Amino acid sequence: DAMVIQNPRYQVTQFGKPVTLSCSQTLNHNVMYWYQQKSSQAPKLLFHYYDKDFNNEADTPDNFQSRRPNTSFCFLDIRSPGLGDAAMYLCATSRGSGGETQYFGPGTRLLVL
Amino acid sequence: AQSVTQLGSHVSVSEGALVLLRCNYSSSVPPYLFWYVQYPNQGLQLLLKYTSAATLVKGINGFEAEFKKSETSFHLTKPSAHMSDAAEYFCAVSENSGYSTLTFGKGTMLLVSP
Repeated sequence: DAMVIQNPRYQVTQFGKPVTLSCSQTLNHNVMYWYQQKSSQAPKLLFHYYDKDFNNEADTPDNFQSRRPNTSFCFLDIRSPGLGDAAMYLCATSRGSGGETQYFGPGTRLLVL
Repeated sequence: AQSVTQLGSHVSVSEGALVLLRCNYSSSVPPYLFWYVQYPNQGLQLLLKYTSAATLVKGINGFEAEFKKSETSFHLTKPSAHMSDAAEYFCAVSENSGYSTLTFGKGTMLLVSP
């Protein structure tokens, strides 16, 4: 089945130690998104790629960066994780036309010690 | 600018009772509207979406929602709650003007008691 895959499902890192989360898709969608979701809150969009065009939300901290080496893969890099970065990170994809559904992966839960 | 308001962070119903989750939106252009469901430690799954084809939208798992432009609402309903419906529900809006990102409401946790 076509899907959005996130690895790992759970990630533990140390305060200040760089961490990379990965997302892959078999849907061949143009757009890939990264969201941060803290407990009992709505997902917050960090950035997204439309093909190779990178779009950063205005309030996304500089500590967060992303790479999309090809259509299928997208990475979220947290350069120096702080305790406040502990959250669920969700990857999603869509075709990119208006009103298109976003398809979400299962998420990676990040714990910062 | 677009926004979504979900009334009630928690809604409790008994199994077999009507489910009503409220969503109001604001958008400067005709919107696309979505309801997503999230089970614990999982991603979001689309329940249904409104794209101007019909005001009453039927989704998965027996859920439906009605778009009311005059009330700027898109409430989610299900005639009879099941224990497996217990989850968090998010309403979201995107602009009906080409490619646009989603704006989510804060979510409503649905609790179902036996």
